[in-house]
Amino acid sequence: GAVVSQHPSRVICKSGTSVKIECRSLDFQATTMFWYRQFPKQSLMLMATSNEGSKATYEQGVEKDKFLINHASLTLSTLTVTSAHPEDSSFYICSARRTSGNNEQFFGPGTRLTVL
Amino acid sequence: AQSVAQPEDQVNVAEGNPLTVKCTYSVSGNPYLFWYVQYPNRGLQFLLKYITGDNLVKGSYGFEAEFNKSQTSFHLKKPSALVSDSALYFCAVRDRKAAGNKLTFGGGTRVLVKP
Repeated sequence: GAVVSQHPSRVICKSGTSVKIECRSLDFQATTMFWYRQFPKQSLMLMATSNEGSKATYEQGVEKDKFLINHASLTLSTLTVTSAHPEDSSFYICSARRTSGNNEQFFGPGTRLTVL
Repeated sequence: AQSVAQPEDQVNVAEGNPLTVKCTYSVSGNPYLFWYVQYPNRGLQFLLKYITGDNLVKGSYGFEAEFNKSQTSFHLKKPSALVSDSALYFCAVRDRKAAGNKLTFGGGTRVLVKP
């Protein structure tokens, strides 16, 4: 149990386009999901906390209009990178916190975004 | 505020030898502590966690970690390393009193186990 999936696993896009990344909790409900960004050989940096049915909470320095987050159901959160630029190229990882239980986070496999 | 330090960028160890990956933390209250492992181009895999109780926590793949409150440390250990343990390891902390359940990660330690 407690599986989190991300789609796509890898995406290459042209500069100026928008890219949507999906994060799904497959076998549990997640009131809260988290979006992280990881640069090569670096740690995970929390971008935002996604709450089902309400606006996401962004970390300092993260542009909310650049990184649109939607958490429309208890099993799905999406991150849209709008007007992507090469500096947005990164590894994006989501995690989901189980609504019941001890609030442990379960991580998705990540999405590698490359902006040309 | 909460923070995590992993003082070693890389740890090299021979297969069969003991492996230790260091982690120290800082929180205002009592911590939840976690260890995760990451293989190339993959997400994080949970290894173990400390919530409460016994200071020695046993986790997946033969790993264990010891919570030391006085030294604010949570070092990861494995008695006999395998080549397949070569990966990137992250320590993470969450303050029990903090709202939002945010995890703060250390910078990561790359483990290289040589045959």
